[in-house]
Amino acid sequence: QKEVEQDPGPLSVPEGAIVSLNCTYSNSAFQYFMWYRQYSRKGPELLMYTYSSGNKEDGRFTAQVDKSSKYISLFIRDSQPSDSATYLCAMSVLTGGGNKLTFGTGTQLKVEL
Amino acid sequence: SAVISQKPSRDICQRGTSLTIQCQVDSQVTMMFWYRQQPGQSLTLIATANQGSEATYESGFVIDKFPISRPNLTFSTLTVSNLSPEDSSIYLCSVSPGRRYEQYFGPGTRLTVT
Repeated sequence: QKEVEQDPGPLSVPEGAIVSLNCTYSNSAFQYFMWYRQYSRKGPELLMYTYSSGNKEDGRFTAQVDKSSKYISLFIRDSQPSDSATYLCAMSVLTGGGNKLTFGTGTQLKVEL
Repeated sequence: SAVISQKPSRDICQRGTSLTIQCQVDSQVTMMFWYRQQPGQSLTLIATANQGSEATYESGFVIDKFPISRPNLTFSTLTVSNLSPEDSSIYLCSVSPGRRYEQYFGPGTRLTVT
């Protein structure tokens, strides 16, 4: 079993829709939770990060963490064609050796006009 | 955040040769990381490179195959040695500047081994 599970999609939605992207994980020690956006042939871009459980909002994006269920979500409101990308969840335990990220496989999102 | 560049952006190499990938950051950072991204798979951490010390490799990755240099706080190289088609992948460097839980990635190097 992978430490982090993420549905690879592809997920196709119409412009303006609310998008829900999710990951589950098995390691209860994870403390930091991140979402990255990766456009084709580009490096991952950090979108949002949260520490422990709770919600965090940034513009059209909301990240949720439910540690009791080992489940994290990213919501995108009023989705735009420019949101079409692969979304990667990542999580970590911060140790003396640094912030080693464990990634999901990514969900490919396409927002259609 | 940090601005990270990688060279080369892509390369095609023959089996048995080596490729050295450079990673340059626009600010001094303590920790740099090297990842591999294979098609349909998660980004996988290869090693952590701290300036002034030996790189720390993850399970399944060894120094003989992936030697890393970290000569200063803004630069690192990853060499992929004795290439085989299975090494065809995207290689990415990342850094954690300031707040240690944030990590920023370079654009990646796309390697194809023939």
